[in-house]
This record gives sequence, C-alpha cells and structure tokens, in this order.
Amino acid sequence: AQSVAQPEDQVNVAEGNPLTVKCTYSVSGNPYLFWYVQYPNRGLQFLLKYITGDNLVKGSYGFEAEFNKSQTSFHLKKPSALVSDSALYFCAVRANTNAGKSTFGDGTTLTVKP
Amino acid sequence: KAGVTQTPRYLIKTRGQQVTLSCSPISGHRSVSWYQQTPGQGLQFLFEYFSETQRNKGNFPGRFSGRQFSNSRSEMNVSTLELGDSALYLCASSTTITSYEQYFGPGTRLTVT
Repeated sequence: AQSVAQPEDQVNVAEGNPLTVKCTYSVSGNPYLFWYVQYPNRGLQFLLKYITGDNLVKGSYGFEAEFNKSQTSFHLKKPSALVSDSALYFCAVRANTNAGKSTFGDGTTLTVKP
Repeated sequence: KAGVTQTPRYLIKTRGQQVTLSCSPISGHRSVSWYQQTPGQGLQFLFEYFSETQRNKGNFPGRFSGRQFSNSRSEMNVSTLELGDSALYLCASSTTITSYEQYFGPGTRLTVT
C-alpha cells in the first residue's frame, strides 16, 4: 500500500519569506512524487514531479522540492513567498509499478500574508 | 490546446437518484482517472480508464461506475445517491497509463439533498 502524510493542515508565512510545505510518503518500490496546487473552485494544477535523478526538483512558479530517500520526504519549498501563492497544496505518490493510481495527501493550506 | 473539461460544473440531486458526470480529456490523452474530493476524506481515487478499459479501481462501492468511449471521453455514474456522495468530482487525463503528470479538470460539484 502507498500513503502520503502532510503533517501540517496550515502553513502561514509572511510575503517575501521562504516557505516550506512538508510531505512524507510510504510506497513499495521506487516512488514517483508530485506536488499539485488547488485554488478555490478550481481543479488541481501540476507543480512539479520527482521521477529519478537530481534530488532537487524545480517546478512552476518558482517552486522546488527536495527528495530525501532516507527520510522518505518530499518537501515543497520556495525562497520568497508571494500573496498569490496562497492556496491548497497536495503531495501525491505512486509506485513506479502502479501505473495510474496516485495517492494524495490531505492537503496543506498555505496562507501568505502581506 | 484545450484543457480537461468536465460537465456539468454544478449539480444538485436528491437521495436515491442517479447521476452521470462527463469528462473530456486533453486532445491526444488516452488515460482518464476520476477522484472524489471531500473535506473529510480528502482526494480519493475512484478509477482509471485507458483504451476503453478500466485499469485501476479504488475502494468505492459498486454504486460508482464509469466507462470510457473510443474518443477517450469518459463518464462516471453514481446510482442510488446518498448524502455522503456530496463532493467535488475531479477528472484527470494523461497521455498514457504510465505517464507521470496528470492534468485535472475544474471538477463537478455534486450536492445531494
């Protein structure tokens, strides 16, 4: 079975400060890891993915994520937060042998205050 | 290229009725997945279709069913609606069943009264 944990329901940061949204996972085999963002009344938008290679993955809108195999983590980061980054963020995982079925975390609400 | 479209966007039904939701994937995408999103349960995988065949299924009762047509468009059906079926139903498409990224539609908000 595969699972994802996003330990923080809410993350609050001030505009211009760095942000981190945490994600840990459990999966059999090599993981494929994803971050998605959801704005109110919208579907999920893909931000970035880790499949293989460099542990630091760069994605859309200045976001990046660091894959740590020993800690089974895939934390989302951004050096300087914007008010417009305020949204609901989901981490997802699937095993490389489980095509198509992704398991999502419960989501973390990011609020960036001016 | 147009994104994933879902119709209708909003739907209100009463208990016991059935409902059909539609999803049109991005042109060229052949895999369609369905998810249910609720405040209490988060995002839960319903099923995935590829080449008109169900390839993966989540842990939902048999009241939830789906199908995919030859043009890759997909429908999901929920029969004998319950209050707990109220949710945002999201459709996601990808090029193939082994593709990494999924592209999500805006969802259909179903309210069961």
